[in-house]
Amino acid sequence: AQSVTQLDSQVPVFEEAPVELRCNYSSSVSVYLFWYVQYPNQGLQLLLKYLSGSTLVKGINGFEAEFNKSQTSFHLRKPSVHISDTAEYFCAVSGDTGGFKTIFGAGTRLFVKA
Amino acid sequence: ETGVTQTPRHLVMGMTNKKSLKCEQHLGHNAMYWYKQSAKKPLELMFVYNFKEQTENNSVPSRFSPECPNSSHLFLHLHTLQPEDSALYLCASSQDQGSFYEQYFGPGTRLTVT
Repeated sequence: AQSVTQLDSQVPVFEEAPVELRCNYSSSVSVYLFWYVQYPNQGLQLLLKYLSGSTLVKGINGFEAEFNKSQTSFHLRKPSVHISDTAEYFCAVSGDTGGFKTIFGAGTRLFVKA
Repeated sequence: ETGVTQTPRHLVMGMTNKKSLKCEQHLGHNAMYWYKQSAKKPLELMFVYNFKEQTENNSVPSRFSPECPNSSHLFLHLHTLQPEDSALYLCASSQDQGSFYEQYFGPGTRLTVT
């Protein structure tokens, strides 16, 4: 069965500092990986996704993530964060395991301080 | 209207009430989903519909009853709920039901059961 672990429930960081939000997954088959962001009082929206090809994926708002198959990780990074990046970030995995389900992690709360 | 809309945005109901949540997608997608989002927990997939047919019921109690009259509309009928059912209920849609399709989420209905 697939699973997703987001290693940090909360990440406080100062404005303009770099940030990395960690995500590890477990799956025995090919996977598709996603990062979603949820701003207060809103639904989730896609930041970026890895389906195949280049392991470095660039998304919206200056975020990027790197797929590391050997470490089963898909960490999200941004070189310089803004106050407006304060939100909840969800890593998700899906794959061909006899189902189509997307499994979401528990989320990481990014709090950007001035 | 664009994207995925949900009404109402907030709902307070007693345990003996009957109410319905509505979701509408304006994206021409074929798959629609209901999720439950509780604090500090991963998103819980409840139901999936593809081309109006239910393809997934994730062991959801019968006090939650979904309805999908067409590919654009999805309802969640609620009756005799419990206080632990209080949560944010998110609707999502995707082009089709497949592992590599990203999902588009509505803003959610914040449900409080008293």
